[in-house]
Amino acid sequence: GDSVTQMEGPVTLSEEAFLTINCTYTATGYPSLFWYVQYPGEGLQLLLKATKADDKGSNKGFEATYRKETTSFHLEKGSVQVSDSAVYFCALSEGGSEKLVFGKGTKLTVNP
Amino acid sequence: GAGVSQSPRYKVAKRGQDVALRCDPISGHVSLFWYQQALGQGPEFLTYFQNEAQLDKSGLPSDRFFAERPEGSVSTLKIQRTQQEDSAVYLCASSSMLVGQYFGPGTRLTVT
Repeated sequence: GDSVTQMEGPVTLSEEAFLTINCTYTATGYPSLFWYVQYPGEGLQLLLKATKADDKGSNKGFEATYRKETTSFHLEKGSVQVSDSAVYFCALSEGGSEKLVFGKGTKLTVNP
Repeated sequence: GAGVSQSPRYKVAKRGQDVALRCDPISGHVSLFWYQQALGQGPEFLTYFQNEAQLDKSGLPSDRFFAERPEGSVSTLKIQRTQQEDSAVYLCASSSMLVGQYFGPGTRLTVT
């Protein structure tokens, strides 16, 4: 079945550091790809998405590019802030279904 | 309301008790999803409604789990004869065409 594998955490960075969280997927078809973020004490929020190969999703300084050849959707940010501390989830949905398949999540802590 | 709401936010049940978890989706959202999130894991799909029709219940772990959405709006997830392995956060999400899923804050269920 479909699956998502993302980088094990936790990840600890200093403010203004560069962030990469790796995500790879396995799918039988041609999925849409998502990054969700869960801030402490809050619900899951959609951060960005991409629906076809070479699409780049971006939001709040975060970016991820849909790479079909490497089945990847790595999350990047050039300069993280303390307020970016959260758990980040990579996810996919396949075909006509909106059902999401999530990775296990990566906890990011940014120190001042 | 502005977002998806869930109640109760926390529920403690003794093993063997029945519980009912409520989800109020965003007004006008056709699709509604339930996910189960174990500690330290990503959410896992349980079931999906389009309006009042339950189109996919492949993720329900046993016949003790039952979900309904009788009028195509509010949904209830019921767990009968709760077991310790049912302890998790239960997330509800709603969506409308192509806008992505909006998640509620979740209900944390602890079975003692």
